[in-house]
Amino acid sequence: EGQLVESGGGVVRPGGSLRLSCAGSGFTFEDHGMNWVRQAPGKGLEWVSGINRNGGSIGYADSVKGRFTISRDNAKNSLYLQMNSLRAEDTGFYHCARVTTGDYRDPFDFWGQGTLVTVSS
Amino acid sequence: EIVLTQSPDTLSLSPGERATLSCRASQSVSRSYLGWYQQKPGQTPRLLIYGASSRATGIPDRFSGSGSGTDFTLTISRLEPGDFAVYFCHYYGTSLLTFGGGTKVEI
Repeated sequence: EGQLVESGGGVVRPGGSLRLSCAGSGFTFEDHGMNWVRQAPGKGLEWVSGINRNGGSIGYADSVKGRFTISRDNAKNSLYLQMNSLRAEDTGFYHCARVTTGDYRDPFDFWGQGTLVTVSS
Repeated sequence: EIVLTQSPDTLSLSPGERATLSCRASQSVSRSYLGWYQQKPGQTPRLLIYGASSRATGIPDRFSGSGSGTDFTLTISRLEPGDFAVYFCHYYGTSLLTFGGGTKVEI
């Protein structure tokens, strides 16, 4: 089935930046759309951003539009999320999730364990 | 933006009982793009249902999905101990994807 491993989380002050990475292995990364989904501790799921297989179609939640940028490097089997102007409400675990197809707007068939982002002064 | 509202927040049942979980959309949506996930503590979500009623690979037939328009339902026909978890509905038919707030199925 493969594996997704996120990295890059940490503690950052409000207004700061972080860049998250997600490394895919065990499957043909370039065949799949990918998404970032976050989950505050003990809370529900919130879709953050998605990108199709070749990067030509991208979407963002209204809560992060203009602050976050999703990208991918298929040669490196990697997905990224550049997060700027971070706010306290951005705190949570950030999971990358693989889509069943090349679009990002399809079901997610497996997820990484996540990386924790904490925005606090 | 489509908002998904799940009910109830918590469902208290016993093994062997039937569970009925609701997901209501703020406007009519295509059933082709409605999914359900199961999440157990400390684990990542697991895809159960896509296209409102199609079971994902390896999902037992005691899980079934139904509905159309604004009202969708996940039914677990006979709860097993491993089914006690949180369940989320998910709409992926627009450029803004969305999840419901979740229903916790507890013993």
